[in-house]
Amino acid sequence: SAVISQKPSRDICQRGTSLTIQCQVDSQVTMMFWYRQQPGQSLTLIATANQGSEATYESGFVIDKFPISRPNLTFSTLTVSNMSPEDSSIYLCSVADGELFFGEGSRLTVL
Amino acid sequence: GENVEQHPSTLSVQEGDSAVIKCTYSDSASNYFPWYKQELGKRPQLIIDIRSNVGEKKDQRIAVTLNKTAKHFSLHITETQPEDSAVYFCAASYGGGADGLTFGKGTHLIIQP
Repeated sequence: SAVISQKPSRDICQRGTSLTIQCQVDSQVTMMFWYRQQPGQSLTLIATANQGSEATYESGFVIDKFPISRPNLTFSTLTVSNMSPEDSSIYLCSVADGELFFGEGSRLTVL
Repeated sequence: GENVEQHPSTLSVQEGDSAVIKCTYSDSASNYFPWYKQELGKRPQLIIDIRSNVGEKKDQRIAVTLNKTAKHFSLHITETQPEDSAVYFCAASYGGGADGLTFGKGTHLIIQP
């Protein structure tokens, strides 16, 4: 099974700033995804990170707010831009390798 | 797009009893239905999944059933134990795999000693 390392594990951020979350996988994978889990809620797919091309965003999520990079088959970043308290969530990197594996998540608190 | 409804939101059962969580989906093209368990502060982990070409799958104390006609699927846990306490999420996808999963809202399962 894929091993996913995500950082930071948690951070406290000021309103209006941006934060980049990194996701490293121990093997090459085609499909990488970013999910958001708001406090006490379910998981919502933000976007699919495509290697060598722009990410594919789900309804309600836009590139200007959540820019994503995927420079190779083992690494991706998600930036949460111009943060507001409503962005306080856990952001989870995931990969599809037969099943969907999740990273430990990055818990962001925006003050 | 796909919509997944999950019930109940909270389920409390006595240790040793069975627990059943139910989900319905809207897109008849969906063909992959996984269940995830998430313990407090931890990542979701796959516990069992089923594809649309089978009606039931079992793994020790856990089983999943699928009714394609009615578009619903259920998780069954028998002989519940304290370590089964967690939040369980159902999901659906029409890709045949784990990409593009739509999750239900989750069920908080509480096992009473």
